[in-house]
Amino acid sequence: DQQVKQNSPSLSVQEGRISILNCDYTNSMFDYFLWYKKYPAEGPTFLISISSIKDKNEDGRFTVFLNKSAKHLSLHIVPSQPGDSAVYFCAASATNTDKLIFGTGTRLQVFP
Amino acid sequence: DGGITQSPKYLFRKEGQNVTLSCEQNLNHDAMYWYRQDPGQGLRLIYYSQIVNDFQKGDIAEGYSVSREKKESFPLTVTSAQKNPTAFYLCASSIGLGMWTEAFFGQGTRLTVV
Repeated sequence: DQQVKQNSPSLSVQEGRISILNCDYTNSMFDYFLWYKKYPAEGPTFLISISSIKDKNEDGRFTVFLNKSAKHLSLHIVPSQPGDSAVYFCAASATNTDKLIFGTGTRLQVFP
Repeated sequence: DGGITQSPKYLFRKEGQNVTLSCEQNLNHDAMYWYRQDPGQGLRLIYYSQIVNDFQKGDIAEGYSVSREKKESFPLTVTSAQKNPTAFYLCASSIGLGMWTEAFFGQGTRLTVV
């Protein structure tokens, strides 16, 4: 049972435009969400997070939106750059559990 | 420099042998995790530990074992019972104690069983 889902395995975006990566979750106990970026043969690196008390968090070119009623979050990257090309994972956790569950990932390709 | 270290980066073993993957962190984190990555499957949680001498099974614990005798160390043993052990293994740590915070990852170990 996949509790965190990223239904788009890949996304291709032109440089300078907006990239929107989506993530859905099923467990209503999740209250903390994170986005990670991963290059091949390396560990993921943390990008941005959001707690369930917020519906938006922004950090430079990266913005995460959370829609609790729809159990949906999205990562917006604007403007997209070629260096953003990587696999992006969303992850979720429930308070006091420390258990961190990841989605299946979306491969983003930003072309010139 | 604080961080999380996995060793070795590449590991080859014969089928039927147990193998132990090392994970050490000097971030003073309480929580540690092991994930497995397969193509198209994302990161699947094998085991996690919230505190020394305690750990919980993740979603795919069968065929694996862990120990948490020290706060800094969380080794993962891939046993001969694991039916498909060839994969990329990632260790992570976080502050833990139920606090909202990101997890930091090591660089991974690619295990190939021949």
